[in-house]
Amino acid sequence: RKEVEQDPGPFNVPEGATVAFNCTYSNSASQSFFWYRQDCRKEPKLLMSVYSSGNEDGRFTAQLNRASQYISLLIRDSKLSDSATYLCVVEAAGNKLTFGGGTRVLVKP
Amino acid sequence: DARVTQTPRHKVTEMGQEVTMRCQPILGHNTVFWYRQTMMQGLELLAYFRNRAPLDDSGMPKDRFSAEMPDATLATLKIQPSEPRDSAVYFCASGSGSKREGEQYFGPGTRLTVT
Repeated sequence: RKEVEQDPGPFNVPEGATVAFNCTYSNSASQSFFWYRQDCRKEPKLLMSVYSSGNEDGRFTAQLNRASQYISLLIRDSKLSDSATYLCVVEAAGNKLTFGGGTRVLVKP
Repeated sequence: DARVTQTPRHKVTEMGQEVTMRCQPILGHNTVFWYRQTMMQGLELLAYFRNRAPLDDSGMPKDRFSAEMPDATLATLKIQPSEPRDSAVYFCASGSGSKREGEQYFGPGTRLTVT
């Protein structure tokens, strides 16, 4: 089993709709969690850090479920510009970072 | 707007040649990371420096890859000799060294093709 797993998608989302997807992690000692966004042929960019049980930033909401070992990202009122690959990052003890394979989201008019 | 810079942006070379990639982290950042991204393997951590000292290079093939930080403004990743399987995008990222190492800023990457 991979340390960090994501559904590769793509998630085809009508503009204005809500989309949510998860990231599961295997190391129960993981301490910090992050979502990055990567556009095609571009570098990853930090989207959100996930604090305690979760946090919200505008249309984006991240949640952490430690019992089930997953984090989720929810995007409300999807925009065409939200089309990207969303990478989940898990930080374990010793600052060891593991990236998920990414979930591709396509927002269509 | 502070950014991580990487050179070259693109590199095409023949098998067996040496490749050197350079990275200038954001001024004031004290952690530097090298990643490799391919379609098959996704994003893989190759090396990690804090205050110019290497902390983790377990993801790096030691026989041909080397990573250094000659000074706080320059990180290098070398491949010698290069092989076709090294073809990938190599990203450098820097961080402030805060409690959360996962908060990183990536450079635009070096797209390497080894023929």
